[in-house]
Amino acid sequence: ETGVTQTPRHLVMGMTNKKSLKCEQHLGHNAMYWYKQSAKKPLELMFVYSLEERVENNSVPSRFSPECPNSSHLFLHLHTLQPEDSALYLCASSQVLGGGDEKLFFGSGTQLSVL
Amino acid sequence: RKEVEQDPGPFNVPEGATVAFNCTYSNSASQSFFWYRQDCRKEPKLLMSVYSSGNEDGRFTAQLNRASQYISLLIRDSKLSDSATYLCVVNHPGGFKTIFGAGTRLFVKA
Repeated sequence: ETGVTQTPRHLVMGMTNKKSLKCEQHLGHNAMYWYKQSAKKPLELMFVYSLEERVENNSVPSRFSPECPNSSHLFLHLHTLQPEDSALYLCASSQVLGGGDEKLFFGSGTQLSVL
Repeated sequence: RKEVEQDPGPFNVPEGATVAFNCTYSNSASQSFFWYRQDCRKEPKLLMSVYSSGNEDGRFTAQLNRASQYISLLIRDSKLSDSATYLCVVNHPGGFKTIFGAGTRLFVKA
């Protein structure tokens, strides 16, 4: 069983659809993240949850809505997306010890296409 | 200026070659540094941490120069399987401030 699992692997949705991305980590970590990776751009941090509280929200549009029901699960709810939101969405987890030395473990990502 | 800048690449090298990647960061208060590897259409995976004293893991050597705000990765005896994008990653202080470079693409050819 891989450390961080994401579903679905691929998603095609219209601009009026509502969908959710799911992430589960089996590493016992205390922080979970959503990143966006667009073609030829660096990974962009979207949201961070530490101990189930959102601690980072990088000015992400409200059409992206995260949810972290417990330390092992993370969701990203999508609604009324735009074509420019098409990208690879990556979930990650880490064990935060306070020293700033967090190492990220990523899921395999969801390749999202918005038509 | 970008927070983390890398050589644009791509680097095309023959098997057995030695190749070096560079990375600069803008925040002098950055705390920790890493190299990640990302294969095509896959997720990034941690390759190694980077320390001021330099550290080595098999054919890979990483170096940090805090004074120059510069990080490097050296790959010796390149293998076909080393073909990937190498991401320079910097953690800022204050927690949860992990900044990724855009990556350097490496192609190792037979």
